[in-house]
Amino acid sequence: AQSVAQPEDQVNVAEGNPLTVKCTYSVSGNPYLFWYVQYPNRGLQFLLKYITGDNLVKGSYGFEAEFNKSQTSFHLKKPSALVSDSALYFCAVRDMLKGTGRRALTFGSGTRLQVQP
Amino acid sequence: DGGITQSPKYLFRKEGQNVTLSCEQNLNHDAMYWYRQDPGQGLRLIYYSQIVNDFQKGDIAEGYSVSREKKESFPLTVTSAQKNPTAFYLCASARLAGDNEQFFGPGTRLTVL
Repeated sequence: AQSVAQPEDQVNVAEGNPLTVKCTYSVSGNPYLFWYVQYPNRGLQFLLKYITGDNLVKGSYGFEAEFNKSQTSFHLKKPSALVSDSALYFCAVRDMLKGTGRRALTFGSGTRLQVQP
Repeated sequence: DGGITQSPKYLFRKEGQNVTLSCEQNLNHDAMYWYRQDPGQGLRLIYYSQIVNDFQKGDIAEGYSVSREKKESFPLTVTSAQKNPTAFYLCASARLAGDNEQFFGPGTRLTVL
């Protein structure tokens, strides 16, 4: 089965500094990778995805992610953090659900980003 | 949250009661999913459905039940058999073809009194 890992429970960064939220994956075949953001008491919002093509993917709110096949990583980045970026971030990979042959997304455990003013 | 609605936003349940959480989508998606999220934690898959009148258990289905009588609707019932139901419940939908990007509803917070 595919899996995705977010090694940091929390990332702290000062406003205006660059931020990175890490994600590594394990898949067989070509990975379909996603980043979502969740604000308190809200559903998940889609940020960006990598399916194929350029390794640098640009998404919503100035976020981007770099796909690195050799390191099996898909880190989320932003050149200059805002206080309003403080939220919970989830990485996800398209997976086969157990015993069904059907596809869905498997989510990482989430990383809380705190941007200090 | 566009295209998927969940109701109610907040729900309070007494011990021993069954409650049903609503999820409706107007995106014409075949697949729908229910997740449970505990404070500060990731998502755990409860049930999913990829076609009308068919659904499958996810990783934590015990104490929950679902139905899929219409393409646009996928209600979740939290039964009295669910030992610790207090959590945030998220519904999502996706196309079956392509990359399976999921679209999420705003969530329902269930609290057992």
